[in-house]
Amino acid sequence: AQKITQTQPGMFVQEKEAVTLDCTYDTSDPSYGLFWYKQPSSGEMIFLIYQGSYDQQNATEGRYSLNFQKARKSANLVISASQLGDSAMYFCAMREGPNTGNQFYFGTGTSLTVIP
Amino acid sequence: DAGVTQSPTHLIKTRGQQVTLRCSPKSGHDTVSWYQQALGQGPQFIFQYYEEEERQRGNFPDRFSGHQFPNYSSELNVNALLLGDSALYLCASSSAGQASREAFFGQGTRLTVV
Repeated sequence: AQKITQTQPGMFVQEKEAVTLDCTYDTSDPSYGLFWYKQPSSGEMIFLIYQGSYDQQNATEGRYSLNFQKARKSANLVISASQLGDSAMYFCAMREGPNTGNQFYFGTGTSLTVIP
Repeated sequence: DAGVTQSPTHLIKTRGQQVTLRCSPKSGHDTVSWYQQALGQGPQFIFQYYEEEERQRGNFPDRFSGHQFPNYSSELNVNALLLGDSALYLCASSSAGQASREAFFGQGTRLTVV
């Protein structure tokens, strides 16, 4: 079974609007972390936001927020007030266990295009 | 503060050849992980090095090997290259001694096997 599933290969959003990128995950480990990374065409993976499995509150980082629904095993990324520079690939990732050195499992990504 | 640096940025090799990719981790980081990202896919974990030893390994054949040096920099070696090895190879660094959450990635090396 896939550890991380992203079902939206491509998304379009109007500039200044909000957009939600979907992510579901699969793990039996009670301790895990969920991450979102942005990958522009340059290739570098840029960290956006993190949610721990024991965190009570949904994570927020500026215009990024993570809609964490533990029972549904979903961790959707919400980008508010989209900007042209937000156009990129977005990857959801998970790291299992408490060890911060464990490997990441990535989804297949969502290509976001912001329309002027 | 330099982030994660990888070299070279682009590389073209012939099937059957061998290639070495290099990674310098972010200052203060001691753990290096390597990922392979095929076109249109998410990154796949190859292996991780800590204290100059391979600590974890993903589902990759023995043709993929690595090394970590005392200064924490790392190399990824791929022998007997196949066309399917064409991909973006990403290096990620983290610190085992800190409660850091995210890994910092380099810009990657784009390998094309012809």
